[in-house]
Amino acid sequence: KAGVTQTPRYLIKTRGQQVTLSCSPISGHRSVSWYQQTPGQGLQFLFEYFSETQRNKGNFPGRFSGRQFSNSRSEMNVSTLELGDSALYLCASKGGQTRYGYTFGSGTRLTVV
Amino acid sequence: KNEVEQSPQNLTAQEGEFITINCSYSVGISALHWLQQHPGGGIVSLFMLSSGKKKHGRLIATINIQEKHSSLHITASHPRDSAVYICAVPHSGGGADGLTFGKGTHLIIQP
Repeated sequence: KAGVTQTPRYLIKTRGQQVTLSCSPISGHRSVSWYQQTPGQGLQFLFEYFSETQRNKGNFPGRFSGRQFSNSRSEMNVSTLELGDSALYLCASKGGQTRYGYTFGSGTRLTVV
Repeated sequence: KNEVEQSPQNLTAQEGEFITINCSYSVGISALHWLQQHPGGGIVSLFMLSSGKKKHGRLIATINIQEKHSSLHITASHPRDSAVYICAVPHSGGGADGLTFGKGTHLIIQP
C-alpha cells in the first residue's frame, strides 16, 4: 500500500513569507503528527491531528499551525518565516493495530533565506 | 512532557561487533519506539514495544518498564547498519499521539 506522502520535497522561501506543507497519510490512518528536525534541536514534536481535531501540541510559537481534512490529509502552515525555521519537516501517520505504530513520510526540506 | 535520554551519542565500531544503544525516559509510557534514520532524512520504524523483548533479524529491542529503560542491540553489525538510531516515547498521555525523541545515536560500522 502507498506510504505517507509529503509535498513538496524541497522548498526555498524568503524570510517573512509564509509556507504550507502537505501530508497524505496511509489510507485508513486517522492520526497525523508533524515534527521539525534541525541539527541543533534534533526532532521536535509540532502537533497531532485526529479526525480533523488537534489533540496535542508541542512547544512552538503560534506562527506554526496546521489542519486536517475529512480525508485525513493534513497541512501545516508557517507564517512570517524566520531563518531559524529552516529545517526538515516530517509527518507521520498512525492507525489501528500496526506492528510499528508510526509510518513517516520522507519529509519536506525547507530553507529560509 | 516526557524526557528522553539516549546514549551514546556517537558510536564507531568494527564490522561484526555487538552494538548496544540505551534509552531512558522520565514518565511511564504505553509504548516505546526505536527508529532508524539514514542520511537524506528518511525515518524507518524499527520497533514498537511495551514490554519484554522483540527481535527482527539482527536487531533486538528490550524494555524494562519499572526502570523506564530500553536498549537496542545489533548483532553481527555490518556497514549497512550505519545510521542514526532514535528512541521515541509518547509526547503526553490522554490518548493523543505524537512522539518525543532522544537526541539519537550516530552509529558508524567500519569494514
